[in-house]
Amino acid sequence: QSVLTQPPSASGTPGQRVTISCSGSSSNIGSNTVNWYQQLPGTAPELLIYSNNQRPSGVPDRFSGSKSGTSASLAISGLQSEDEADYYCAAWDDSLNGPVFGGGTKLTVL
Amino acid sequence: QVQLQESGPGLVKPSQTLSLMCTVSGGSISSSVSYWSWIRQHPGKGLEWIGHIYYSGSTYYNPSLKSRVTISVDTSKNQFSLKLSSVTAADTAVYYCVRIYCPSPTCYTNWFDPWGQGTLVTVSS
Repeated sequence: QSVLTQPPSASGTPGQRVTISCSGSSSNIGSNTVNWYQQLPGTAPELLIYSNNQRPSGVPDRFSGSKSGTSASLAISGLQSEDEADYYCAAWDDSLNGPVFGGGTKLTVL
Repeated sequence: QVQLQESGPGLVKPSQTLSLMCTVSGGSISSSVSYWSWIRQHPGKGLEWIGHIYYSGSTYYNPSLKSRVTISVDTSKNQFSLKLSSVTAADTAVYYCVRIYCPSPTCYTNWFDPWGQGTLVTVSS
């Protein structure tokens, strides 16, 4: 049981816009920034979005993040086949004094 | 560009101690803006924080694993390590070493980047 709640799956067709939600509590998302990680099949996770809505260099602007209260979301526009991956949200948890993760969302491009 | 590489046995017997090493290249493990972490991923499952360490030796552990975990750092070798004792099949997972980047002294904002490629550790007799 993950501390942050994500839908287990999401899907879309090429060119569509999809969003993935991440729900937490006041001790994590409510008081700290949210990061998103992309894990392509058979590889290690990679940083996708940091500080709620910032993209590392090299990440296309098709990816965007937002946060409101104790929830966050990742949006992917202009969906491409190479976006098929698992996506994880994460935030620092003040009660744990460490990071917590969502259970991951498997994105399928139909 | 900082890179991390895990090393260690891929097979550990039940009740024994799992030991992994992470070698940091392309940057100093003594960086003031970095903590060094271990994260694991059970087969087909999500990510679990194990713990992290600062170059000074300060450690922070997941309470659920704290009694069995030791993370240490060797600044002279630019390496940090993980020891997990009394392992069972439930500790079978891919283990990642990861940098926690803290752009400010308070580390209020932080993120995991980069990640090592991960190493699968199987606990089995």
